[in-house]
Amino acid sequence: GAVVSQHPSWVICKSGTSVKIECRSLDFQATTMFWYRQFPKQSLMLMATSNEGSKATYEQGVEKDKFLINHASLTLSTLTVTSAHPEDSSFYICSASRGSGGQGYSPLHFGNGTRLTVT
Amino acid sequence: DAKTTQPTSMDCAEGRAANLPCNHSTISGNEYVYWYRQIHSQGPQYIIHGLKNNETNEMASLIITEDRKSSTLILPHATLRDTAVYYCIVRGLGNTGKLIFGQGTTLQVKP
Repeated sequence: GAVVSQHPSWVICKSGTSVKIECRSLDFQATTMFWYRQFPKQSLMLMATSNEGSKATYEQGVEKDKFLINHASLTLSTLTVTSAHPEDSSFYICSASRGSGGQGYSPLHFGNGTRLTVT
Repeated sequence: DAKTTQPTSMDCAEGRAANLPCNHSTISGNEYVYWYRQIHSQGPQYIIHGLKNNETNEMASLIITEDRKSSTLILPHATLRDTAVYYCIVRGLGNTGKLIFGQGTTLQVKP
């Protein structure tokens, strides 16, 4: 089945530094990937849609200059949290789909998430 | 995309069928019903999806009412490992196919 890999699975960084999270589709090409954030005991919140070869589309209220997204190839999207602060500590999850076709959209498959702790 | 309503929590005895309801009364004709689950500290796992016909796979069955305003996810023989938050999501063909998560149902399978 489709596999989405995220790296690292957890990271601890100091306040003011930047952290990059990678999301890879291992056995399919993903034109579009999605980035989510999840705080404890809350649901997933969509942050942005990452499009291969073009600028990401950010959801309302998400700072594009703080959360830099790069989707340089059909199998890799990266999320960089710039100048991280303790309030950015969260669980970040990416997802990808093979794309439309078959029965409506193909299901989104999710990575196992990255736990970011900013000290 | 249409909004969904799910109970906040449910319990189920191990070995019994777990029936998780979802209301989506404003669903449009071209919108699909998707079910995912999230086990603690992991990414969501795809379970099943459907448009209007009932669907079954190795994990679960999805029953969609004829008017498509509600659906039920059935786990035929729940195990302790099925304890998770289950999300029912309506997804249209627009908006690049993104998934918007609600609060879901926390299913607790008890021995």
